[in-house]
Amino acid sequence: EVQLVESGGGLVQPGGSLRLSCTASRLTFSSYWMSWVRQAPGRGLEWVANIKQDGSEKYYVDSVKGRFTISRDNAKNSLYLQMNSLRDEDTAVYFCAREGSGWSLNYWGQGTLVTVSS
Amino acid sequence: QSALTQPASVSGSPGQSITISCTGTNSDIGSYNLVSWYQHHPGKAPKLMIYEVSERPSGVSNRFSGSKSGNTASLTISGLQTEDEADYYCCSYAVTKKSYVFGTGTKVTVL
Repeated sequence: EVQLVESGGGLVQPGGSLRLSCTASRLTFSSYWMSWVRQAPGRGLEWVANIKQDGSEKYYVDSVKGRFTISRDNAKNSLYLQMNSLRDEDTAVYFCAREGSGWSLNYWGQGTLVTVSS
Repeated sequence: QSALTQPASVSGSPGQSITISCTGTNSDIGSYNLVSWYQHHPGKAPKLMIYEVSERPSGVSNRFSGSKSGNTASLTISGLQTEDEADYYCCSYAVTKKSYVFGTGTKVTVL
């Protein structure tokens, strides 16, 4: 079965940094765009960023531009999200997802929790 | 970009049909057939149920169907079952903005 596993979440103070990882197995990682999506406590899903197969294009939601950086290592079947200058409102479960037909997100991980608090 | 608008909750009895609406704008739902729907049981990975407005991925029950009219997309669940109880999110890809926008989410309750 296809598997995406996120890691790297935890408790961090406001203004701090954290790097999330997502490792893929049993799916063709390098041939697809990949996304990060988050869900704040009690809130809905929010798309955060995505990256093209070769890393040449990256796009972000306005609220994280200049603070978050998405990257990938196809040799390691891994996706990353470097999060800097973290704010309270970045507290959320972060999911990685593979993009499929019609810009849908057809495979998701179970998520990793990021808590920004002093 | 503002979230797409969904009803907060929809309920139905087993065997009934329910429809969840998802309202966007001319910049997202209205311009492209790039609407997808996700089922999310809290604590688990979201699951793709519909893509490109009305296409079903392999393995998804044909009780789930999607449609679109103007700036509003809809997800219909027919023959409601207890395992359908979950949160449902619509999503649209806005080509010109190169970004996704999700709906506000709908909690489906099976009475």
